[in-house]
Amino acid sequence: KAGVTQTPRYLIKTRGQQVTLSCSPISGHRSVSWYQQTPGQGLQFLFEYFSETQRNKGNFPGRFSGRQFSNSRSEMNVSTLELGDSALYLCASSVSSSGGEQYFGPGTRLTVT
Amino acid sequence: QKEVEQNSGPLSVPEGAIASLNCTYSDRGSQSFFWYRQYSGKSPELIMFIYSNGDKEDGRFTAQLNKASQYVSLLIRDSQPSDSATYLCAVNTDTGRRALTFGSGTRLQVQP
Repeated sequence: KAGVTQTPRYLIKTRGQQVTLSCSPISGHRSVSWYQQTPGQGLQFLFEYFSETQRNKGNFPGRFSGRQFSNSRSEMNVSTLELGDSALYLCASSVSSSGGEQYFGPGTRLTVT
Repeated sequence: QKEVEQNSGPLSVPEGAIASLNCTYSDRGSQSFFWYRQYSGKSPELIMFIYSNGDKEDGRFTAQLNKASQYVSLLIRDSQPSDSATYLCAVNTDTGRRALTFGSGTRLQVQP
């Protein structure tokens, strides 16, 4: 079974621009969670989608948003990029809707200059 | 107080030894506990999960959970240089949520 895929793998953007990242979960998984990983803050939860609905949101500004499609694929968008948004963005998929195991994709490395 | 705490290390063990990684958490309502391994430049890989008190073994890995003391540990037997990585403890701190709260990770170095 194919794993979680994320595109693009690397991105370089300029401050003030916006970016859209994509995540395709493992086949049969309906829950997709997004995380940000930085050296200073570690892994932090952004939001989670299940059946096209946002179920939970972490403590991030409204510039960070996401959505999920009927095929469970998910996108996250960051508007008005700031230098501090430079990070590894990870998505994780899981089967259940009750806190089960999550499997991570390879991540998208975003650099904001 | 951080919700999930780990010693950042590095924890250095000789090849063939047992590596013991520890994690404490603050939310007594936590339900699910996970260990991820992350190699430098790669994404986290799920290696163990445990939901009930006690031990759970999978190959060279054993996860131990003690909810009364609010700690979870990971033992790696017969450590290999390929086990050298950062090990992240993750806890599902709210029932029904799928958000994981991660510790900052413990860097393990296995010396040949």
